[in-house]
Amino acid sequence: AQSVSQHNHHVILSEAASLELGCNYSYGGTVNLFWYVQYPGQHLQLLLKYFSGDPLVKGIKGFEAEFIKSKFSFNLRKPSVQWSDTAEYFCAVTGPNTGNQFYFGTGTSLTVIP
Amino acid sequence: KAGVTQTPRYLIKTRGQQVTLSCSPISGHRSVSWYQQTPGQGLQFLFEYFSETQRNKGNFPGRFSGRQFSNSRSEMNVSTLELGDSALYLCASRAGEAYEQYFGPGTRLTVT
Repeated sequence: AQSVSQHNHHVILSEAASLELGCNYSYGGTVNLFWYVQYPGQHLQLLLKYFSGDPLVKGIKGFEAEFIKSKFSFNLRKPSVQWSDTAEYFCAVTGPNTGNQFYFGTGTSLTVIP
Repeated sequence: KAGVTQTPRYLIKTRGQQVTLSCSPISGHRSVSWYQQTPGQGLQFLFEYFSETQRNKGNFPGRFSGRQFSNSRSEMNVSTLELGDSALYLCASRAGEAYEQYFGPGTRLTVT
């Protein structure tokens, strides 16, 4: 079965700092990769996704992620965070080799200090 | 299009009772998945239904069951509730296998 690791459990940044959240998955082959965000009191929403093509994908609100197949990674980045980015971030992986089931990481809680 | 809807939004039950949660997917989506979300555990996958058939199942005891109807609406049932079942239960739908999931607001279940 697939497993997804998010090594940063809690991240605290000041506004304007750069962000990078790690995501690694265990099972190779064809994968579809996602980052979801859960703002306080809101439901999970899709931040960005990768299915194929350019490994650098851009999402909403200035976020981007890079798929590095050799490292089984899909790290999330943002050059300058804002207070409104305070949220929980989840990485997810799916693919035909694992029954197309979604596998989620345990999440990273980001707090941005104004 | 309307998003994924879940009812009820909040529920308080006592140990030993059973509960049924409902999920209506986005129109046209045939896949519905259920997750349990607890602090520190992230999203734990319960099961996925596609066209009324359970396609995938997570590692939860048999007290957790689900079903999907012909209109793609889904229900999840938990019998003999335990304190540890207190959680946010999320439903997500997608159009097919190679698509992203869209989440509902969740049902907050508290077991006392």
